Amino acid sequence: QVQLVESGGGVVQPGRALRLSCEASGFNFRAYAMHWVRQAPGKGLEWVAITSFDESKKFYADSVKGRFTISRDNSKSTLFLQVNSLKTDDTAVYYCAQSSGRFQSFSWGQGTLVIVSS
Amino acid sequence: IQMTQSPSSLSASVGDRVTIICRASQNISSYLNWYQQTSGKAPKLLIYGASSLQSGVPSRFTGSGSETDFTLTISSLQPGDFATYYCQQTYILPITFGQGTRLEI
Repeated sequence: QVQLVESGGGVVQPGRALRLSCEASGFNFRAYAMHWVRQAPGKGLEWVAITSFDESKKFYADSVKGRFTISRDNSKSTLFLQVNSLKTDDTAVYYCAQSSGRFQSFSWGQGTLVIVSS
Repeated sequence: IQMTQSPSSLSASVGDRVTIICRASQNISSYLNWYQQTSGKAPKLLIYGASSLQSGVPSRFTGSGSETDFTLTISSLQPGDFATYYCQQTYILPITFGQGTRLEI
Protein backbone atom coordinates (compact mmCIF):
# COMPACT_ATOMS: atom_id res chain seq x y z
CA GLN A 1 0.00 0.00 0.00
CA VAL A 2 1.36 3.39 -1.02
CA GLN A 3 2.26 5.60 1.91
CA LEU A 4 3.56 9.13 1.49
CA VAL A 5 4.44 11.37 4.42
CA GLU A 6 5.29 15.02 3.79
CA SER A 7 7.20 17.26 6.16
CA GLY A 8 9.06 20.54 6.21
CA GLY A 9 6.19 22.99 6.05
CA GLY A 10 5.84 25.97 8.35
CA VAL A 11 5.62 29.73 8.51
CA VAL A 12 8.22 31.58 6.46
CA GLN A 13 8.75 35.20 5.47
CA PRO A 14 8.39 36.35 1.87
CA GLY A 15 11.60 35.96 -0.08
CA ARG A 16 12.88 33.13 2.10
CA ALA A 17 13.32 29.46 1.24
CA LEU A 18 12.08 26.12 2.49
CA ARG A 19 12.76 22.47 1.69
CA LEU A 20 9.84 20.07 1.71
CA SER A 21 10.33 16.32 2.04
CA CYS A 22 8.15 13.32 1.28
CA GLU A 23 9.06 9.89 2.64
CA ALA A 24 7.63 7.04 0.61
CA SER A 25 6.94 3.43 1.56
CA GLY A 26 4.87 0.49 0.43
CA PHE A 27 6.05 0.51 -3.17
CA ASN A 28 9.22 0.47 -5.25
CA PHE A 29 9.91 4.21 -5.05
CA ARG A 30 12.78 4.20 -7.56
CA ALA A 31 10.47 2.88 -10.30
CA TYR A 32 7.87 5.67 -10.29
CA ALA A 33 7.54 9.27 -11.39
CA MET A 34 6.66 11.57 -8.50
CA HIS A 35 4.83 14.88 -8.28
CA TRP A 36 4.14 17.85 -6.07
CA VAL A 37 0.66 19.38 -6.06
CA ARG A 38 -0.46 22.32 -3.96
CA GLN A 39 -3.76 23.71 -2.72
CA ALA A 40 -4.12 27.27 -1.50
CA PRO A 41 -6.60 27.79 1.36
CA GLY A 42 -10.13 27.39 0.08
CA LYS A 43 -8.93 26.88 -3.50
CA GLY A 44 -8.55 24.01 -5.94
CA LEU A 45 -5.67 21.70 -6.76
CA GLU A 46 -2.67 23.05 -8.66
CA TRP A 47 -0.08 20.70 -10.09
CA VAL A 48 3.44 22.00 -9.36
CA ALA A 49 6.17 19.66 -10.61
CA ILE A 50 7.16 16.17 -11.74
CA THR A 51 10.36 14.19 -11.70
CA SER A 52 10.89 11.01 -13.64
CA PHE A 53 11.97 7.89 -11.76
CA ASP A 54 15.65 8.64 -12.39
CA GLU A 55 15.53 12.48 -12.34
CA SER A 56 16.42 12.56 -16.03
CA LYS A 57 13.27 14.54 -16.76
CA LYS A 58 11.71 17.29 -14.71
CA PHE A 59 8.88 19.65 -15.55
CA TYR A 60 7.38 22.58 -13.67
CA ALA A 61 4.25 24.68 -13.66
CA ASP A 62 4.88 28.15 -15.07
CA SER A 63 3.90 29.68 -11.74
CA VAL A 64 6.92 28.13 -9.98
CA LYS A 65 9.48 27.71 -12.77
CA GLY A 66 12.85 29.10 -11.77
CA ARG A 67 11.95 29.25 -8.06
CA PHE A 68 11.11 25.63 -7.17
CA THR A 69 13.29 22.56 -7.69
CA ILE A 70 12.07 18.99 -7.46
CA SER A 71 14.54 16.24 -6.61
CA ARG A 72 14.64 12.76 -5.16
CA ASP A 73 16.90 10.37 -3.29
CA ASN A 74 16.00 6.89 -4.43
CA SER A 75 18.33 5.31 -1.87
CA LYS A 76 16.18 6.86 0.87
CA SER A 77 12.81 6.69 -0.92
CA THR A 78 12.42 10.42 -0.43
CA LEU A 79 11.13 13.19 -2.66
CA PHE A 80 12.05 16.83 -2.14
CA LEU A 81 10.82 20.24 -3.18
CA GLN A 82 13.17 23.17 -2.72
CA VAL A 83 11.07 26.33 -2.67
CA ASN A 84 12.95 29.60 -3.03
CA SER A 85 11.99 33.27 -3.22
CA LEU A 86 8.67 32.49 -1.57
CA LYS A 87 5.69 34.73 -2.23
CA THR A 88 2.48 35.11 -0.26
CA ASP A 89 0.71 33.38 -3.20
CA ASP A 90 2.75 30.25 -2.43
CA THR A 91 0.80 29.76 0.80
CA ALA A 92 -0.79 26.33 0.42
CA VAL A 93 -0.90 22.74 1.51
CA TYR A 94 1.75 20.91 -0.50
CA TYR A 95 1.04 17.30 -1.39
CA CYS A 96 3.41 14.77 -2.84
CA ALA A 97 1.89 12.19 -5.13
CA GLN A 98 2.87 9.00 -6.93
CA SER A 99 1.53 8.48 -10.43
CA SER A 100 0.97 4.98 -11.71
CA GLY A 101 -0.70 2.95 -14.38
CA ARG A 102 -1.46 3.75 -17.98
CA PHE A 103 -3.49 6.81 -17.00
CA GLN A 104 -1.01 8.04 -14.36
CA SER A 105 -3.56 8.42 -11.61
CA PHE A 106 -2.30 9.80 -8.31
CA SER A 107 -1.85 8.38 -4.82
CA TRP A 108 -1.48 11.19 -2.32
CA GLY A 109 0.26 12.01 0.93
CA GLN A 110 -1.52 13.91 3.70
CA GLY A 111 0.15 17.23 2.82
CA THR A 112 2.29 19.79 4.61
CA LEU A 113 1.19 23.40 5.12
CA VAL A 114 3.38 26.28 4.01
CA ILE A 115 2.39 29.77 5.14
CA VAL A 116 4.25 32.68 3.64
CA SER A 117 3.74 35.74 5.77
CA SER A 118 5.70 38.63 7.20
CA ILE B 1 -5.04 21.97 -21.41
CA GLN B 2 -7.85 23.71 -19.55
CA MET B 3 -10.30 21.56 -17.60
CA THR B 4 -13.72 23.05 -16.88
CA GLN B 5 -16.11 21.45 -14.44
CA SER B 6 -19.78 22.17 -14.08
CA PRO B 7 -21.52 22.95 -11.94
CA SER B 8 -19.12 24.60 -9.49
CA SER B 9 -21.45 23.69 -6.66
CA LEU B 10 -24.43 21.44 -6.33
CA SER B 11 -27.02 20.88 -3.64
CA ALA B 12 -28.57 17.45 -3.32
CA SER B 13 -30.08 15.07 -0.81
CA VAL B 14 -29.24 11.62 0.42
CA GLY B 15 -30.53 9.12 -2.12
CA ASP B 16 -30.33 11.54 -5.07
CA ARG B 17 -28.52 10.81 -8.32
CA VAL B 18 -26.09 13.54 -9.42
CA THR B 19 -23.89 14.11 -12.44
CA ILE B 20 -20.79 16.28 -12.65
CA ILE B 21 -19.43 17.34 -16.04
CA CYS B 22 -15.79 17.90 -16.96
CA ARG B 23 -14.76 19.35 -20.30
CA ALA B 24 -11.24 19.49 -21.69
CA SER B 25 -10.10 22.28 -23.99
CA GLN B 26 -8.65 19.68 -26.37
CA ASN B 27 -8.77 15.95 -26.99
CA ILE B 28 -7.31 14.02 -24.04
CA SER B 29 -8.46 10.57 -25.14
CA SER B 30 -9.32 8.76 -21.89
CA TYR B 31 -6.57 10.31 -19.77
CA LEU B 32 -9.06 11.60 -17.26
CA ASN B 33 -9.17 10.80 -13.54
CA TRP B 34 -11.69 11.78 -10.86
CA TYR B 35 -10.88 12.50 -7.20
CA GLN B 36 -12.97 13.12 -4.11
CA GLN B 37 -11.74 15.47 -1.41
CA THR B 38 -13.39 15.87 1.95
CA SER B 39 -12.58 18.86 4.12
CA GLY B 40 -9.02 18.95 5.38
CA LYS B 41 -8.00 15.68 3.77
CA ALA B 42 -5.98 14.60 0.77
CA PRO B 43 -7.80 13.81 -2.47
CA LYS B 44 -8.86 10.21 -2.99
CA LEU B 45 -8.90 8.51 -6.40
CA LEU B 46 -12.35 7.38 -7.52
CA ILE B 47 -12.14 6.79 -11.28
CA TYR B 48 -9.15 6.43 -13.58
CA GLY B 49 -8.99 6.25 -17.34
CA ALA B 50 -12.36 8.03 -17.56
CA SER B 51 -14.42 4.98 -16.61
CA SER B 52 -12.47 2.48 -14.50
CA LEU B 53 -13.49 2.23 -10.86
CA GLN B 54 -10.62 2.33 -8.40
CA SER B 55 -10.41 -0.69 -6.12
CA GLY B 56 -12.45 -0.21 -2.96
CA VAL B 57 -14.62 2.59 -4.35
CA PRO B 58 -18.36 1.88 -4.19
CA SER B 59 -20.06 0.97 -7.45
CA ARG B 60 -22.49 3.91 -7.12
CA PHE B 61 -19.67 5.99 -8.64
CA THR B 62 -19.45 5.74 -12.42
CA GLY B 63 -17.39 7.64 -14.96
CA SER B 64 -17.89 7.98 -18.66
CA GLY B 65 -16.73 9.96 -21.66
CA SER B 66 -13.76 10.36 -23.94
CA GLU B 67 -11.85 12.98 -25.91
CA THR B 68 -13.21 16.26 -24.49
CA ASP B 69 -16.42 15.46 -22.60
CA PHE B 70 -16.58 13.45 -19.38
CA THR B 71 -19.06 12.82 -16.60
CA LEU B 72 -18.98 11.51 -13.06
CA THR B 73 -22.27 10.14 -11.82
CA ILE B 74 -23.09 9.23 -8.25
CA SER B 75 -26.24 7.20 -7.89
CA SER B 76 -28.08 7.21 -4.57
CA LEU B 77 -25.96 9.72 -2.63
CA GLN B 78 -24.72 8.66 0.78
CA PRO B 79 -23.80 11.04 3.64
CA GLY B 80 -20.06 10.52 3.07
CA ASP B 81 -20.36 11.58 -0.58
CA PHE B 82 -20.83 15.24 0.29
CA ALA B 83 -17.40 16.52 -0.68
CA THR B 84 -15.56 18.32 -3.46
CA TYR B 85 -14.84 16.47 -6.70
CA TYR B 86 -12.02 17.20 -9.12
CA CYS B 87 -11.28 15.94 -12.59
CA GLN B 88 -7.66 15.70 -13.75
CA GLN B 89 -6.08 15.27 -17.17
CA THR B 90 -2.81 13.39 -17.44
CA TYR B 91 -2.64 13.35 -21.23
CA ILE B 92 0.03 16.01 -21.45
CA LEU B 93 2.18 18.14 -19.16
CA PRO B 94 1.42 20.33 -17.36
CA ILE B 95 -1.11 18.13 -15.65
CA THR B 96 -4.24 20.15 -14.97
CA PHE B 97 -7.25 19.85 -12.71
CA GLY B 98 -10.76 21.12 -13.00
CA GLN B 99 -11.69 23.87 -10.58
CA GLY B 100 -13.73 21.46 -8.48
CA THR B 101 -17.40 20.77 -7.85
CA ARG B 102 -18.61 21.18 -4.29
CA LEU B 103 -21.43 18.77 -3.50
CA GLU B 104 -23.50 19.99 -0.56
CA ILE B 105 -26.46 18.70 1.31
